[in-house]
Amino acid sequence: NAGVTQTPKFRVLKTGQSMTLLCAQDMNHEYMYWYRQDPGMGLRLIHYSVGEGTTAKGEVPDGYNVSRLKKQNFLLGLESAAPSQTSVYFCATLRGNTDTQYFGPGTRLTVL
Amino acid sequence: DAKTTQPNSMESNEEEPVHLPCNHSTISGTDYIHWYRQLPSQGPEYVIHGLTSNVNNRMASLAIAEDRKSSTLILHRATLRDAAVYYCILSRSGQGGSEKLVFGKGTKLTVNP
Repeated sequence: NAGVTQTPKFRVLKTGQSMTLLCAQDMNHEYMYWYRQDPGMGLRLIHYSVGEGTTAKGEVPDGYNVSRLKKQNFLLGLESAAPSQTSVYFCATLRGNTDTQYFGPGTRLTVL
Repeated sequence: DAKTTQPNSMESNEEEPVHLPCNHSTISGTDYIHWYRQLPSQGPEYVIHGLTSNVNNRMASLAIAEDRKSSTLILHRATLRDAAVYYCILSRSGQGGSEKLVFGKGTKLTVNP
């Protein structure tokens, strides 16, 4: 069981470039989440999904898009990267009617 | 979402117990109290959660005040591996809804050898 995996682990972008972060899980969990964590800060929720084909906005959704075409994958897209999006991005999953979120190892993104 | 208040940092010595406090004076009757921790350069990991009664697991104990306006995470014997940022979070979990966890800045625990 790989649990929650994130691809890539590191990435450097130039302002205006686009990219997609992939979160994959093999636990058959319904709910998936994307968070960002800035230095010295707690995690902030970007977008989340309560099931295949559904997505919803979190507290800091601007500049990001997401898709959940397959239950096991949750994609986070940056259409036009900005330096303010330099951060560590964490994906998490949760099985319905349970209380525990499982986090991936994170993707460290730098936008120059 | 109901807010929690935690000290920014705490220190402990190895092999000693650690009591990490959390205030949540605006907690509602359906809010569960969750604790997660984040080791350096890793994603957060679940520690423990509870509703009203004190809870124990292999990692820690959770003591919840009778009025539920505060709680304490107890690490019975701190090890160097317990050095992490500890987050106290409220969530209306267990109901199959969209369980968004709102993370604050947490408490950074330093464990001295």
